[in-house]
Amino acid sequence: SQELEQSPQSLIVQEGKNLTINCTSSKTLYGLYWYKQKYGEGLIFLMMLQKGGEEKSHEKITAKLDEKKQQSSLHITASQPSHAGIYLCGAPNSGGSNYKLTFGKGTLLTVNP
Amino acid sequence: DTGVSQDPRHKITKRGQNVTFRCDPISEHNRLYWYRQTLGQGPEFLTYFQNEAQLEKSRLLSDRFSAERPKGSFSTLEIQRTEQGDSAMYLCASSFLGQPQPNTGELFFGEGSRLTVL
Repeated sequence: SQELEQSPQSLIVQEGKNLTINCTSSKTLYGLYWYKQKYGEGLIFLMMLQKGGEEKSHEKITAKLDEKKQQSSLHITASQPSHAGIYLCGAPNSGGSNYKLTFGKGTLLTVNP
Repeated sequence: DTGVSQDPRHKITKRGQNVTFRCDPISEHNRLYWYRQTLGQGPEFLTYFQNEAQLEKSRLLSDRFSAERPKGSFSTLEIQRTEQGDSAMYLCASSFLGQPQPNTGELFFGEGSRLTVL
């Protein structure tokens, strides 16, 4: 079965600093989803990547899927306290239209003002 | 609010009691998923529906768990004879699969229903 490993497990940065979170798969990725979660709340959809080499940006967050489709990174530029939370990557177990996802354990981001 | 909504948000129950959670997906979404999340872990897939048909169930879904989506709209997840190990956040998600709209693949989650079994 597919496993997703996220690194680092937790991260503390000063407001204004850039940061990167990585998600590595044990198998080829058919797609990769990034979500943000506040403690005790639901998941907020950030971005979905499907093609090797694909890169998407939304506001100050950029996500990339590497060419070999086994790793994705999430980069936040000029972090703000509003970026704090748990970032989760999730991937479908197979190709096609099945969006059943396997998730990593998450990366806890703290942004100090 | 046009997002995925779940009810109740929090439920505290005694071991052995039955509990039911409800999920209302985004209105045009025909796929609905249930996930479970425990502290410090990512969500784990439980089951999913396309319209009213339950297409897949995880091995995590024991006989005490049953999910329905009777008219292809809202869904319920019932846990019978709850155990302390059932304490978790139960998350519902929905997506759209079909034509003529292209599949964006986007999967949207609700706020979750947190279950505590005493």
